[in-house]
Amino acid sequence: QKEVEQNSGPLSVPEGAIASLNCTYSDRGSQSFFWYRQYSGKSPELIMSIYSNGDKEDGRFTAQLNKASQYVSLLIRDSQPSDSATYLCAVRPSNSGGSNYKLTFGKGTLLTVNP
Amino acid sequence: NAGVTQTPKFRILKIGQSMTLQCTQDMNHNYMYWYRQDPGMGLKLIYYSVGAGITDKGEVPNGYNVSRSTTEDFPLRLELAAPSQTSVYFCASSYPQETQYFGPGTRLLVL
Repeated sequence: QKEVEQNSGPLSVPEGAIASLNCTYSDRGSQSFFWYRQYSGKSPELIMSIYSNGDKEDGRFTAQLNKASQYVSLLIRDSQPSDSATYLCAVRPSNSGGSNYKLTFGKGTLLTVNP
Repeated sequence: NAGVTQTPKFRILKIGQSMTLQCTQDMNHNYMYWYRQDPGMGLKLIYYSVGAGITDKGEVPNGYNVSRSTTEDFPLRLELAAPSQTSVYFCASSYPQETQYFGPGTRLLVL
């Protein structure tokens, strides 16, 4: 069973702080990694994707990937109340009979940013 | 573009009833997916399709069926609804190896 684990949360940070969200995965051959944001009662929306080791920055968001440690994280700088949501980590597992377009999702971490 | 649309938004079913959840995308995506999301849980893949006429099971297919007669539509059929199928259902679509775009979801309550 290929698994994706996220820190259980909920995570609460003050406005303006850095929020750090973590994710580990069991399939060492995984190639692609995604962070989705899901507001309460809404559908998931992609905010970051990362494919190679290191950091990838997009505005206030930075995704970090360490394939040797099977670890991916999402940092949100200058957190805003509008960032309050559940963040889902998703991993595209290693190629298996051509099914490498399927994603395995973690359970999500609920982030609350307090004004 | 409307993106991915789903109907209905909410439905209450009695145990043993059947229904079809509709999903349509207008992005000409080859791949389409059905997920369910239970409270506090991640998304579980029910079925997926890589093109018209081609479907396959995901992690939790029992109690569901799908068809893909066109590129645009990917309906999910529930036969003999059970309380365990109470969930939020999301349809998604994508190009191969690309980002998955999700519909707004259908909330289903089976009583």
